[in-house]
Amino acid sequence: DIQMTQSPSSVSASVGDRVTITCRASQGISSWLAWYQQKPGKAPKLLIYAASSLQSGVPSRFSGSGSGTDFTLTISSLQPEDFATYYCQQANSFPPYTFGQGTKLEIK
Amino acid sequence: EVQLVESGGGLVQPGGSLRLSCAASGFTFSSYEMNWVRQAPGKGLEWVSYISSSGSTIYYADSVKGRFTISRDNAKNSLYLQMNSLRAEDTAVYYCAREWAYCGGDCYPVFDYWGQGTLVTVSS
Repeated sequence: DIQMTQSPSSVSASVGDRVTITCRASQGISSWLAWYQQKPGKAPKLLIYAASSLQSGVPSRFSGSGSGTDFTLTISSLQPEDFATYYCQQANSFPPYTFGQGTKLEIK
Repeated sequence: EVQLVESGGGLVQPGGSLRLSCAASGFTFSSYEMNWVRQAPGKGLEWVSYISSSGSTIYYADSVKGRFTISRDNAKNSLYLQMNSLRAEDTAVYYCAREWAYCGGDCYPVFDYWGQGTLVTVSS
């Protein structure tokens, strides 16, 4: 199975900051990567698919990049509603789909 | 509006059984692959099972293989997860998730809609 490793596990930032979260795959997955946002008590929400494509309705301050084994999610200017946990997910080698362990974005 | 509504969760003893349901509306259910994804308390997301749009192709995570059975009824717009021989480590919120594939050369499957989840607690 492909393992997905996110870093950092948690990060503290302020409104207006630029934040980058990294996801590394244990083997190459081309661009078969998605990013999700999850707020406490809520279901995950799709943000990015195919590594860099923004899901409809997602603010443009979110962006994704990378291919192969290394990927990043960037939030260009943090808004109060962006404080949440973020997960990457690979869909290159299935089954199984695998997720990263999550990155919790907290208010500084 | 796409809606996925899970039900059937609850408290069950180790070794017991439970059947989860997911009622779909707002889209042509029979055209979409569906999945179950779970999240143990305070933990990350774990994919559990996949079923193709017709129900002819099914996959399971190794952690549930042989104990869980996924099925669907396209006439009733419903997805199911029969869970047998439950263990404490199966305690989690279970989400049903619609699978959508963006195709531009390759097809990139993602989970574009999720239900609100139903909590399964396995404890004596």
